[in-house]
Amino acid sequence: AQKVTQAQTEISVVEKEDVTLDCVYETRDTTYYLFWYKQPPSGELVFLIRRNSFDEQNEISGRYSWNFQKSTSSFNFTITASQVVDSAVYFCALSEDNYGQNFVFGPGTRLSVLP
Amino acid sequence: DAGVIQSPRHEVTEMGQEVTLRCKPISGHDYLFWYRQTMMRGLELLIYFNNNVPIDDSGMPEDRFSAKMPNASFSTLKIQPSEPRDSAVYFCASSFSRGTGNTIYFGEGSWLTVV
Repeated sequence: AQKVTQAQTEISVVEKEDVTLDCVYETRDTTYYLFWYKQPPSGELVFLIRRNSFDEQNEISGRYSWNFQKSTSSFNFTITASQVVDSAVYFCALSEDNYGQNFVFGPGTRLSVLP
Repeated sequence: DAGVIQSPRHEVTEMGQEVTLRCKPISGHDYLFWYRQTMMRGLELLIYFNNNVPIDDSGMPEDRFSAKMPNASFSTLKIQPSEPRDSAVYFCASSFSRGTGNTIYFGEGSWLTVV
């Protein structure tokens, strides 16, 4: 069965620091999809990125970057020059199918960016 | 484009009362999901629909919970009778089975408190 581990329960950083959120997954499928979602204090779940198992290219979007390494079953998320607005709970998720019904979420990492 | 729309955003009700949560998925999406989020259990999938048909309701905690999707643009999650342990955030989400099919887009959540 698939599983997602986010070992960091809470992280606190000072504004402008870089921070990396770890995500380790388990799956027996060769085709799977990985996701990151952000849940700010207002509560909504915001989709950040989707990556399929055949695409190990790292992705950069502004201050956000993602490092996908199949060899270590990890899909880590780095925020560069963090800002207070980045304070949120971040969820890593795994799906083994193409329709979304077998999503498994990690427990989340609460990031606090202090001014 | 409008995202997933949920109502009410907040609901406080007394134990034993019926609660109805409503959801309008993103237009054109053919999968709809109901999730529950609690501190203890994180994000749990309750039920999902494909083309308005319930596919898997194994996550529904008990018979007090029911969900319907009478058409492609509307779904309800009903709890009758409600109990304090049902207090949680209930998310509706939708996805489209083609293209980036399995990216799930969430609504803002319905925050339920049963007293």
